[in-house]
Amino acid sequence: GIQVEQSPPDLILQEGANSTLRCNFSDSVNNLQWFHQNPWGQLINLFYIPSGTKQNGRLSATTVATERYSLLYISSSQTTDSGVYFCAVCAPGADGLTFGKGTHLIIQP
Amino acid sequence: EPEVTQTPSHQVTQMGQEVILRCVPISNHLYFYWYRQILGQKVEFLVSFYNNEISEKSEIFDDQFSVERPDGSNFTLKIRSTKLEDSAMYFCASSRDIEETQYFGPGTRLLVL
Repeated sequence: GIQVEQSPPDLILQEGANSTLRCNFSDSVNNLQWFHQNPWGQLINLFYIPSGTKQNGRLSATTVATERYSLLYISSSQTTDSGVYFCAVCAPGADGLTFGKGTHLIIQP
Repeated sequence: EPEVTQTPSHQVTQMGQEVILRCVPISNHLYFYWYRQILGQKVEFLVSFYNNEISEKSEIFDDQFSVERPDGSNFTLKIRSTKLEDSAMYFCASSRDIEETQYFGPGTRLLVL
């Protein structure tokens, strides 16, 4: 099946810093989503982005499907951005999302 | 904004007991999913459901699991005889179409003792 690798696994930053999270995937995809898992365990949708670039406030994402990677950018980090960020993909012909292991982000005040 | 809801939020059960986890997908969505996340691990796909039948299932979704849409709004996951290793967070999700955003519910945290 399709493989998803996220980097870095852990990231500790000061409030106000910018960060880039990466997601590599092993095959073509027809769905790619970024999630933020908050301390209560909820999975919050950030982006649906199988290709192209999107922005939502301080967050933006870019997927280069031909090179099989996606990037999530967080600017001017706040302590509430802390948590685990997951990338998940779905290969053509499949229904279920395959998740990466996540990037654990800690934003220190 | 419509949301996927799940009940209960937490459930504790004894090994060997049956549990039913309930979900109400977003009303105009046609595809429904169950995922699980063992503590500290990544989220894993269990099963997808479309047009009143299973569309895809993973290797995890063995004979002890079943899914049902008993009426026009609920979507359930049944675990027939729970094992200790079934302890996990179970997420329900739904999407309007197969190549659209999957929206996740808040999860049910299942603990098997």
